[in-house]
Amino acid sequence: SQTIHQWPATLVQPVGSPLSLECTVEGTSNPNLYWYRQAAGRGLQLLFYSVGIGQISSEVPQNLSASRPQDRQFILSSKKLLLSDSGFYLCAWSPGGVNQETQYFGPGTRLLVL
Amino acid sequence: QKEVEQDPGPLSVPEGAIVSLNCTYSNSAFQYFMWYRQYSRKGPELLMYTYSSGNKEDGRFTAQVDKSSKYISLFIRDSQPSDSATYLCAMSSNTGNQFYFGTGTSLTVIP
Repeated sequence: SQTIHQWPATLVQPVGSPLSLECTVEGTSNPNLYWYRQAAGRGLQLLFYSVGIGQISSEVPQNLSASRPQDRQFILSSKKLLLSDSGFYLCAWSPGGVNQETQYFGPGTRLLVL
Repeated sequence: QKEVEQDPGPLSVPEGAIVSLNCTYSNSAFQYFMWYRQYSRKGPELLMYTYSSGNKEDGRFTAQVDKSSKYISLFIRDSQPSDSATYLCAMSSNTGNQFYFGTGTSLTVIP
């Protein structure tokens, strides 16, 4: 069966510090990978998605970036965090290919920027 | 207009009630429809997914899709306090790689 991991679970960072969140998927090959941010009481905002190694699509201009160094690894980064970067970050995967039937989420990382 | 509209609630029902959660959408290209349950401070958990129109049942949960009305529903029978969570609808099409989500409906089932 497939499993998706995210770490860390919780992170408190000062404004201006760098960020690195990691997501890995087990039990599948060539998945599509996604990063979302969920603000309190609001919906999911798609930040980045990737259909393959080194292929990243950005949905929202911001000071965040994403990388996919391996097939089942997706990393969200920032060089300098802003207060507005606080939120709940979710990684997700879906089977690669045309038919996007389902998407599966990781446990999330709660980020607080002070 | 948002791609997917979902009433945020909150919705509060007594234990044992039938719950109806709904979403509407505007893009007729959507073919796949999903419902997620999200407990506080956790990632969304896939409950059910359906393809095109029709009903799908899984235990106490029934998902219904009406493509002609661009309307989907999730029914929960014999609701339990453990069903208290936020429910998100989501949908996608055969083209592109994105999923489109409602903002979620907060449900509380009172013992």
